[in-house]
Order: sequence, then structure tokens, then C-alpha cells
Amino acid sequence: DVKVTQSSRYLVKRTGEKVFLECVQDMDHENMFWYRQDPGLGLRLIYFSYDVKMKEKGDIPEGYSVSREKKERFSLILESASTNQTSMYLCASVDRGVSNIQYFGAGTRLSVL
Amino acid sequence: AQSVTQPDIHITVSEGASLELRCNYSYGATPYLFWYVQSPGQGLQLLLKYFSGDTLVQGIKGFEAEFKRSQSSFNLRKPSVHWSDAAEYFCAVRLFGGGADGLTFGKGTHLIIQP
Repeated sequence: DVKVTQSSRYLVKRTGEKVFLECVQDMDHENMFWYRQDPGLGLRLIYFSYDVKMKEKGDIPEGYSVSREKKERFSLILESASTNQTSMYLCASVDRGVSNIQYFGAGTRLSVL
Repeated sequence: AQSVTQPDIHITVSEGASLELRCNYSYGATPYLFWYVQSPGQGLQLLLKYFSGDTLVQGIKGFEAEFKRSQSSFNLRKPSVHWSDAAEYFCAVRLFGGGADGLTFGKGTHLIIQP
């Protein structure tokens, strides 16, 4: 089974802190994604990466950055956390073969106080 | 830009009753189409997908969906719901041939099951 693991299920941080959200996949997928999920807004794409050290902005990249130093790991960085970044964050990786299915991690619920 | 509309924010269904969740997309060509389910506190799990071929697709947990090109719809159905089906359901589309494989999601439908 494909496994996408997000290192934390819950995080509580203070305004201004630097926050790292980590995501690891074990299926050698090239493409990985970070979404944020908010009630009534669904999932919105923050950033994606299609290869090591490659990244592209999604629909809402402001206030975020990412890092992909190894194929299996994709990190989301909040340089200076703000209260409006309180949200559920979901990581996904995609099988670009026949299925083209995105596999999701369990999510990290981040609260910024 | 492509968009996905799930017109029902909440739906309440009695256990054992049938279910239909609506999804419409806005895009000129036929995209890849997906339905995902999210149980409380969990990530998203794929229920089913449509790429081409037979327009009625079967998924896991007894769900099916029908692609109707003329209506730009991909509605999810289940003949008899169970209490464990209570969850958030997301329809998603992917641009065929899109380089990034990113998905565009609807805003979700929250399914409530009445005993």
C-alpha cells in the first residue's frame, strides 16, 4: 500500500514562529503537493513539486515556502506563522502511471495562537 | 479556469436510504474525475475515478458514479447508506495532460446519517 506520512497530527504554535510541516511518501512518486483545508473552502493548493529541488506555486502560496531535498520528502514552511494560517494541512503524492491517483496523508491540524 | 461545484454543503439521509451527491465541473474537455471521502480527523481516501470508457464507474464501499458529458456532471450514488458513511465527500477534477497533476476540488458535501 502507498503510504504518505505527515509527521504531526496536531501542532500548536505561536504567532511569529517558524513552522515546519513534514511529509514523506514511500512509493517513489515524483509529484508531491501541499493543500490547506478550511471549512466551506474545500482544499486549496499551496505548492507542488514535480522533482527534487523543483517547486511551483499553487493557488495560495503567500506566507509559505517549501523544500524538496529528497524525492520522498516534501516540507512546508511557514516562515513567520500568523493566526490566519490556522488550518488543516494535507500532503499528497501522485502516481503518474496508469492510475494518476493522488494519495493523501492523514493531515496536520495547525493552530497558531 | 476549471472549477468544480458541489451544490450541496450538507445532506442528511436516513440509514438505509439511497444517496446521490452532485458534482458539476466547468471545463471544455473531459478531465479526469475523482471522488474522495474524508472521515473526521482523517486524510482523503479515493472512492472512485473516471478517466475514459464506461461512464458508470464502481468504487469502494458500495459507491458508484456516473459521468454525463452533456451535463458536465459526475454524481456519486449509493443505493443504501450505512451510519459509517457519515463523512465529508469531495469531488475533484484533473486537467488531462496537465503537467503538474494537480487536482481542483469542490468545496465538499458533508453527509449526515440519521438513525
